[in-house]
Amino acid sequence: DADVTQTPRNRITKTGKRIMLECSQTKGHDRMYWYRQDPGLGLRLIYYSFDVKDINKGEISDGYSVSRQAQAKFSLSLESAIPNQTALYFCATGVRRREGLETQYFGPGTRLLVL
Amino acid sequence: AQSVTQLDSQVPVFEEAPVELRCNYSSSVSVYLFWYVQYPNQGLQLLLKYLSGSTLVKGINGFEAEFNKSQTSFHLRKPSVHISDTAEYFCAVRNTGGFKTIFGAGTRLFVKA
Repeated sequence: DADVTQTPRNRITKTGKRIMLECSQTKGHDRMYWYRQDPGLGLRLIYYSFDVKDINKGEISDGYSVSRQAQAKFSLSLESAIPNQTALYFCATGVRRREGLETQYFGPGTRLLVL
Repeated sequence: AQSVTQLDSQVPVFEEAPVELRCNYSSSVSVYLFWYVQYPNQGLQLLLKYLSGSTLVKGINGFEAEFNKSQTSFHLRKPSVHISDTAEYFCAVRNTGGFKTIFGAGTRLFVKA
């Protein structure tokens, strides 16, 4: 079984609709992240969470919100979807190693199309 | 602030040929460097990383990368590629005191028979 799962894997929605993307992990990691991937731009950080009560904005948080319901679950919401939010969204978990370096593990991605 | 530039958006190569995917970075502080691979319809997977020490880093699937501090480069190489290496490759950087990873735009490697 995958350690980091994302649902749905694909979603088509209309402008103005509210959408929630969900991420679950069985790795027991405290840190979780949401990224979006756009062609030619690589991955950009939307939100990150170091534990259930610690949530922070990334570089492109406008138009998004998150919820860390439990250590294992981190959801991303688009309150009112717009076409330029069409992208591939990745959830990742992170664990800080003894040498101070964090290793990140990525989910399979959610492909979102906003019409 | 850090940035990463992957100099080629697409690299076509024949099977069993060598390949080099280029990556340059900029940073005012010391960094860790990474290469990730993304196979079709999958998430990113860590290929290799440079933390410190030897500038030649070996990763999975026969890939290696060389850290060149003077040229601020971290190019990825493989002496003989396979069809199964077709994927997108991302170079990434993180400052040694932080957790935010900055990704390059990606290089799509096409291996042809």
